[in-house]
Amino acid sequence: AQSVTQLDSQVPVFEEAPVELRCNYSSSVSVYLFWYVQYPNQGLQLLLKYLSGSTLVKGINGFEAEFNKSQTSFHLRKPSVHISDTAEYFCAARSNDYKLSFGAGTTVTVRA
Amino acid sequence: DSGVTQTPKHLITATGQRVTLRCSPRSGDLSVYWYQQSLDQGLQFLIQYYNGEERAKGNILERFSAQQFPDLHSELNLSSLELGDSALYFCASSDDSPEAFFGQGTRLTVV
Repeated sequence: AQSVTQLDSQVPVFEEAPVELRCNYSSSVSVYLFWYVQYPNQGLQLLLKYLSGSTLVKGINGFEAEFNKSQTSFHLRKPSVHISDTAEYFCAARSNDYKLSFGAGTTVTVRA
Repeated sequence: DSGVTQTPKHLITATGQRVTLRCSPRSGDLSVYWYQQSLDQGLQFLIQYYNGEERAKGNILERFSAQQFPDLHSELNLSSLELGDSALYFCASSDDSPEAFFGQGTRLTVV
């Protein structure tokens, strides 16, 4: 199974500033990568996914992520955040063993 | 709305008891996954079923069991409950693609 590391547990950011959330995974062999968002008291919502093809992936709410095979990374970015982006973000990876492994999560707090 | 329905939303029970969590996958999805989310261990994969058969197993305790029925809904049974089993339990479903769609979760509190 994949191992996923999210390098930042907490990211405070001001409104309209850019944000980057870092994620590394353990193996570059046949990996599928995802970012999920969890708003308070809610379930996990899929933000974006990398299955194959273009290494730059665009998702919902203006988020994008770049798959970097040589660095085994899948960092999430947004050029300008809103207060409503305050949430916990999870990076996840899956190989051919069907197990979706999650990172520990990054809490993003957007301040006015 | 992901299309995955979990019931109940909240459950409070005493130590030593047994509970059943239910999940209805998105229409047409054959795979169901169960996850446990706790503050100390994060999101842990428990088990996956595909069209009624167990496909993958994660960190699921022996006191826990699951099954997927012919109508594709799934149940997670937790028995001999301990305080440490208090957590948010998520169900997710998928079709043949690698991505999974999550329900809103069942918050279990063991007192």
